Amino acid sequence: QKEVEQNSGPLSVPEGAIASLNCTYSDRGSQSFFWYRQYSGKSPELIMFIYSNGDKEDGRFTAQLNKASQYVSLLIRDSQPSDSATYLCAVNDDNAGNMLTFGGGTRLMVKP
Amino acid sequence: EPEVTQTPSHQVTQMGQEVILRCVPISNHLYFYWYRQILGQKVEFLVSFYNNEISEKSEIFDDQFSVERPDGSNFTLKIRSTKLEDSAMYFCASSPRGSGGQYFGPGTRLTVT
Repeated sequence: QKEVEQNSGPLSVPEGAIASLNCTYSDRGSQSFFWYRQYSGKSPELIMFIYSNGDKEDGRFTAQLNKASQYVSLLIRDSQPSDSATYLCAVNDDNAGNMLTFGGGTRLMVKP
Repeated sequence: EPEVTQTPSHQVTQMGQEVILRCVPISNHLYFYWYRQILGQKVEFLVSFYNNEISEKSEIFDDQFSVERPDGSNFTLKIRSTKLEDSAMYFCASSPRGSGGQYFGPGTRLTVT
């Protein structure tokens, strides 16, 4: 059973601060990693993906991957109240129909 | 910007009834998926579909479930005889390639009474 683990939070940060969200995964062979944002009552929205070790930046978001430690993180710079949501880490299984295994999500609260 | 669409947004049904949930994936996408999310729980994979056949299905996707792509645009999930525990949000997703990001529709909330 492949597992993806996240701290459920809530993670509370002040507006303008950096929010750091973390995720660990159990399958060492995993190759593709995704971050989704889910507002309450809404569907997951893809915000970042990362395939290679290191950092990948897109606007205010930076994804970090360390395959040796089986660790993925998402940094949100200049956090805004509109970033308040649950952030889901997902891992793709290329050998199983590209199914995504999701973590339980970390709830982020950005306080004005 | 193209989006995945799903209908209906909310379906209420009685236990034992059949339901069909409908999805229109993004038009140039080739891979299609169904997930579900029980209230307060993780998003769970149900099934993936490519080239008109199932690529993978989870343990949840038992004989009561089926998927179909009846034409060039629709992708449906049928639950043959609903149970109370089938109550959940059902999300359809699509992706242009297998290992790429999957784009989710708004979901159908299924309530089984």
